[in-house]
Amino acid sequence: KAGVTQTPRYLIKTRGQQVTLSCSPISGHRSVSWYQQTPGQGLQFLFEYFSETQRNKGNFPGRFSGRQFSNSRSEMNVSTLELGDSALYLCASSFELAGGWGETQYFGPGTRLLVL
Amino acid sequence: AQSVTQLGSHVSVSEGALVLLRCNYSSSVPPYLFWYVQYPNQGLQLLLKYTTGATLVKGINGFEAEFKKSETSFHLTKPSAHMSDAAEYFCAVVNSNSGYALNFGKGTSLLVTP
Repeated sequence: KAGVTQTPRYLIKTRGQQVTLSCSPISGHRSVSWYQQTPGQGLQFLFEYFSETQRNKGNFPGRFSGRQFSNSRSEMNVSTLELGDSALYLCASSFELAGGWGETQYFGPGTRLLVL
Repeated sequence: AQSVTQLGSHVSVSEGALVLLRCNYSSSVPPYLFWYVQYPNQGLQLLLKYTTGATLVKGINGFEAEFKKSETSFHLTKPSAHMSDAAEYFCAVVNSNSGYALNFGKGTSLLVTP
């Protein structure tokens, strides 16, 4: 079974631009979560989608948004990029509960975003 | 909210030596705990997890961890380190206040020397 895939793997943008990242979950998984990884803040939860609805959200500004499609694929968008948005963005999928009752989240390889 | 603290941002061991990576948790409810590994330029790979039941959890690549409620700990061990174990290791706990998102520790970078 194919794992979680993320595209693109690397991205360079300039301040003020916007960016869209894509994530395809493991087949059959309906929950998709996004995390931001930076050297300073570590791994932080952005949001989680289930059945095309945002079910949970972390403590990030409204510039960070996402959506999920009927096939469970998910995209996240960052508008008006800032230098501090440079990070590795990780997508994780799980069958249903995204960690509830100890369900495993399977991570993709990430998209490394550099904002200049 | 549940949280974890990883003691030691860098750990160095010799090849063949015992690996011990420390993780302490804070939780007012029975926690769900995970250890993930991250190799350079890759995502996170699950090593093992604790949900309920047996407190000694065996994972992949010879790793295991023991859940100790009295010490609020979930330390990761491996009897004999291999060069290929060099990576970043993250302990995580499910945060039930945030819809079951994972709260990660800051990570421990493991260096294995010949």
